[in-house]
Amino acid sequence: SAVISQKPSRDICQRGTSLTIQCQVDSQVTMMFWYRQQPGQSLTLIATANQGSEATYESGFVIDKFPISRPNLTFSTLTVSNMSPEDSSIYLCSAGGDSYNEQFFGPGTRLTVL
Amino acid sequence: AQSVAQPEDQVNVAEGNPLTVKCTYSVSGNPYLFWYVQYPNRGLQFLLKYITGDNLVKGSYGFEAEFNKSQTSFHLKKPSALVSDSALYFCAVRGIDDKIIFGKGTRLHILP
Repeated sequence: SAVISQKPSRDICQRGTSLTIQCQVDSQVTMMFWYRQQPGQSLTLIATANQGSEATYESGFVIDKFPISRPNLTFSTLTVSNMSPEDSSIYLCSAGGDSYNEQFFGPGTRLTVL
Repeated sequence: AQSVAQPEDQVNVAEGNPLTVKCTYSVSGNPYLFWYVQYPNRGLQFLLKYITGDNLVKGSYGFEAEFNKSQTSFHLKKPSALVSDSALYFCAVRGIDDKIIFGKGTRLHILP
């Protein structure tokens, strides 16, 4: 299994600012993903972070709002840009291997936008 | 398009009784199915998966799940519930594009 850490664990930000969330995996993984979760609710996939190429975004999410980096096989960042209170949520990083493997999840970043 | 349905928002079970958390799925091709658990203020923990083989899959913490292709279901079960099993449970399916799609979650309450 993979162990995933995220930084920061939580933050309170002002409207209009940006926050970058870091995700570190303790082993090389093929695929990394970013999800958003409202407390107690389901997960919504934001994008797949591709190593060496642009991230693949899901419907309703755009690169200008959620730029993602994936410089190597163990690290990714998600930036939440020009934040509004509607961006307040838990952001989860996950990683997985080939099609037969489960995904492993980081502990999440709880973001509050004032 | 692939999807997962968890028809129950909440399930209440007395400690020591068997529990079932329901999940149905829709996916093109062979389904890869998963169950995850989320404890308060924690990330998701993997419980078990079905890829192929036996329809009854055993996982962590004494949980098991039964894959039923004809009913497109993958219900989570445990023979004897513990209070510590109280948490939010997610069923998930991986489709041909390798993305995992999660159900809306079922909150399990185990009553002492």
